Amino acid sequence: GENVEQHPSTLSVQEGDSAVIKCTYSDSASNYFPWYKQELGKGPQLIIDIRSNVGEKKDQRIAVTLNKTAKHFSLHITETQPEDSAVYFCAAERYDMRFGAGTRLTVKP
Amino acid sequence: NAGVTQTPKFRILKIGQSMTLQCAQDMNHNYMYWYRQDPGMGLKLIYYSVGAGITDKGEVPNGYNVSRSTTEDFPLRLELAAPSQTSVYFCASRGPGGFVNEQYFGPGTRLTVT
Repeated sequence: GENVEQHPSTLSVQEGDSAVIKCTYSDSASNYFPWYKQELGKGPQLIIDIRSNVGEKKDQRIAVTLNKTAKHFSLHITETQPEDSAVYFCAAERYDMRFGAGTRLTVKP
Repeated sequence: NAGVTQTPKFRILKIGQSMTLQCAQDMNHNYMYWYRQDPGMGLKLIYYSVGAGITDKGEVPNGYNVSRSTTEDFPLRLELAAPSQTSVYFCASRGPGGFVNEQYFGPGTRLTVT
């Protein structure tokens, strides 16, 4: 089945800096790649997603890139703010969704 | 809309006890899912349903059962609870068409088996 690896497991940045989280997947037929933000004590919430027929997608300060040949995709957050601090999960889906282990992002004021 | 709701929020079970985790959604979504999240890990799919009366196993179904008698409700049953089932459980739902739509997650149920 699909295997998703996510790096780094923790990331600390200064407010205003950029943050990048990377994921690789194993099933070349996966066709949907969402990113979720999970705040303490809450369920994951979708922040951006990309499908296999698209290479890049941007929504304000958040962008996702997909390299199907290399089977990796990345989340980019620019101008980070303290409220961006949370755990971020990537996922890849063909028939069911497989999640990475998560990245704990801390944005220091 | 309340979205996806889960009850209870917290529960402590003794080994061998049984319980049902409740999940309901009011968005008329066909697809519903149960995940578990262990500390420091991503979510793993336990069971899913593509509509009332239809359920199927996910990645980690052992020790669990589900039913889907209505579009709104998707309860998860634990029989003979074991310490390995200590986890946070999330229910999610998705609109018609499945893959083309966002998954909405509930707030989770934190279960401890001792």
